[in-house]
Amino acid sequence: NAGVTQTPKFRILKIGQSMTLQCAQDMNHNYMYWYRQDPGMGLKLIYYSVGAGITDKGEVPNGYNVSRSTTEDFPLRLELAAPSQTSVYFCASSTAASEAFFGQGTRLTVV
Amino acid sequence: AQSVAQPEDQVNVAEGNPLTVKCTYSVSGNPYLFWYVQYPNRGLQFLLKYITGDNLVKGSYGFEAEFNKSQTSFHLKKPSALVSDSALYFCAVRPPTDSWGKLQFGAGTQVVVTP
Repeated sequence: NAGVTQTPKFRILKIGQSMTLQCAQDMNHNYMYWYRQDPGMGLKLIYYSVGAGITDKGEVPNGYNVSRSTTEDFPLRLELAAPSQTSVYFCASSTAASEAFFGQGTRLTVV
Repeated sequence: AQSVAQPEDQVNVAEGNPLTVKCTYSVSGNPYLFWYVQYPNRGLQFLLKYITGDNLVKGSYGFEAEFNKSQTSFHLKKPSALVSDSALYFCAVRPPTDSWGKLQFGAGTQVVVTP
């Protein structure tokens, strides 16, 4: 039972580069989320999805894009990476009634 | 505006002593309340939640939390702390008006348990 799987675990990007953070869940959850964690700031919601083909912005969406073509996958795209996007990124999933289940995180550094 | 506050950046406790991590919230209505724990270089692990019912909620690893509606608090407690409880703890709130499970997190409290 893998739960929520994120890849890669670590990545260093140069300013202006792009990348996709992968997230997959095997629990058949409809709801999926991307959060970023910065020291002393807790977790902030970037984007979320309530089902395949349905996504919406969270609290801090600028500089990111998402897509949800299947129930299982919810990739996060960074376009034109900036130092302000240096953070730890967490993907999570849930149902309408359950707690959220989190992946192990992706630590991204933009230099 | 909705908010979650964890007033202590760090809590230090000796092993075997009671542990309390504080959380207060400012959300209209009756929110869902959660506690998560994060060990170094790991994701968040669910500890417990309050949806409705008994104000004292029991969770994983001997943790419990007490919901106090009048004080809008949801403090995490453990009667006897272990060194292995040293970690970062997050309180989170899901507003009752939110149908999509979005969570608002506190800033986190670092717990340090000394032998």
